[in-house]
Amino acid sequence: GDSVTQMEGPVTLSEEAFLTINCTYTATGYPSLFWYVQYPGEGLQLLLKATKADDKGSNKGFEATYRKETTSFHLEKGSVQVSDSAVYFCALSDRRTGNQFYFGTGTSLTVIP
Amino acid sequence: DGGITQSPKYLFRKEGQNVTLSCEQNLNHDAMYWYRQDPGQGLRLIYYSQIVNDFQKGDIAEGYSVSREKKESFPLTVTSAQKNPTAFYLCASSPPHLLDTQYFGPGTRLTVL
Repeated sequence: GDSVTQMEGPVTLSEEAFLTINCTYTATGYPSLFWYVQYPGEGLQLLLKATKADDKGSNKGFEATYRKETTSFHLEKGSVQVSDSAVYFCALSDRRTGNQFYFGTGTSLTVIP
Repeated sequence: DGGITQSPKYLFRKEGQNVTLSCEQNLNHDAMYWYRQDPGQGLRLIYYSQIVNDFQKGDIAEGYSVSREKKESFPLTVTSAQKNPTAFYLCASSPPHLLDTQYFGPGTRLTVL
C-alpha cells in the first residue's frame, strides 16, 4: 500500500543554517506530494506541493523536488530562521485510492538564535 | 473570512461520556475529513465525506461516529467505545477542483479524565 517515510527528528539547527528533511514514498500510482507545517497547538498548513515528476514546489524559501526515480520529495531551505521552528509533515495523495492522504510521522525542527 | 473552524480548542470530558467535536467550513468544499494526531505520530484518518449525506470509514473509525447533514458541517462524535480518546483532532476539507489537496482547521485537543 501507499506510505510515506520521513527522517526522524528532532532536528536542531542554528539560525541561517541549511535545512534538509528527507522524505521518501511508496505509491502504486502517480501521487501528488506535499509538505505541511504545524506550529505548536495549531492545525497543519500547506507549505508546498508538487503534482508530477520533476515538479518543484516552493514557498517561503522552502523547496522540494518530486523525484520519481528515487521516490523522494526532500524539503530544503537555504537559511533557516527561528520562526521556522515547527513540525514538518510529508504527505502524498493518490488518485488511485480516491485521493486518500498518507502522512509521514513528522519531523520536529528547532532553530536556535 | 473563509476558512475551517473547529470548536472548542480544548475539551475535557470524563471517561464514559460521549463528546461531539465541531467542524465548520465556509469554503464551499464538498469533501471533508477527520484525523487523529497522537504525540510523535503522523495523522490517522478517522472518517471522510465526499458529499452531503454520505461518509466513509477511514483507518481508525472504531469508537467514532460522524454525520454530514449540511455541506458546511461535519461533526465528529467520540463515543465511550473509543478506548483511548485523548488526542488532538484535526478536521480538513478539499475544494472540488483540487481533490488532491487538503486544508486543515486549527484542531481540537480532547482530554479524557
